[in-house]
Amino acid sequence: EDQVTQSPEALRLQEGESSSLNCSYTVSGLRGLFWYRQDPGKGPEFLFTLYSAGEEKEKERLKATLTKKESFLHITAPKPEDSATYLCATHGSSNTGKLIFGQGTTLQVKP
Amino acid sequence: DGGITQSPKYLFRKEGQNVTLSCEQNLNHDAMYWYRQDPGQGLRLIYYSQIVNDFQKGDIAEGYSVSREKKESFPLTVTSAQKNPTAFYLCASSNGDNEQFFGPGTRLTVL
Repeated sequence: EDQVTQSPEALRLQEGESSSLNCSYTVSGLRGLFWYRQDPGKGPEFLFTLYSAGEEKEKERLKATLTKKESFLHITAPKPEDSATYLCATHGSSNTGKLIFGQGTTLQVKP
Repeated sequence: DGGITQSPKYLFRKEGQNVTLSCEQNLNHDAMYWYRQDPGQGLRLIYYSQIVNDFQKGDIAEGYSVSREKKESFPLTVTSAQKNPTAFYLCASSNGDNEQFFGPGTRLTVL
């Protein structure tokens, strides 16, 4: 069964305290692993797409990496404005364009 | 500016009423999607359309209906058959298997 699992569910960091969010997936034939940021009451904002193991992408304090079974979103020296829910998703095994989402990690960064 | 718009932002429904949520995109994307988001749960796919005049049921289509008469528009009707419609509804679009871009969402509440 296609599945995406994120951990931890919630993460509290002090400003400047680096950490990583995990996204584990079980799908056959990966056609893209997607990371989104969602602020309360708003639609998800696209961050990164990763396609193959070993690939890395960076944007400001965020870096996404990919292995054959999981992806990590590394947050370096976070600021309070990085507080949000981070979602990962990937296509299911069927060729429908449908995305399977994890339940998200809610990050709170305290000043 | 290219993007996805959803209206209204807030919607209130009385018992037994049908309501329609609007989704418009000017990104020239072929595929459009409707998701439902409940607290503590990931996004769940309601319906999707990969091309004009064609659409398929997602994981939780019961009590919902859609149409795709124009490439840029994909309205969702929440019918009285949907017993628990209170949720945050998100529309998205994409080209093929590329990343999906989301609208700002509509929050539906049953009175």
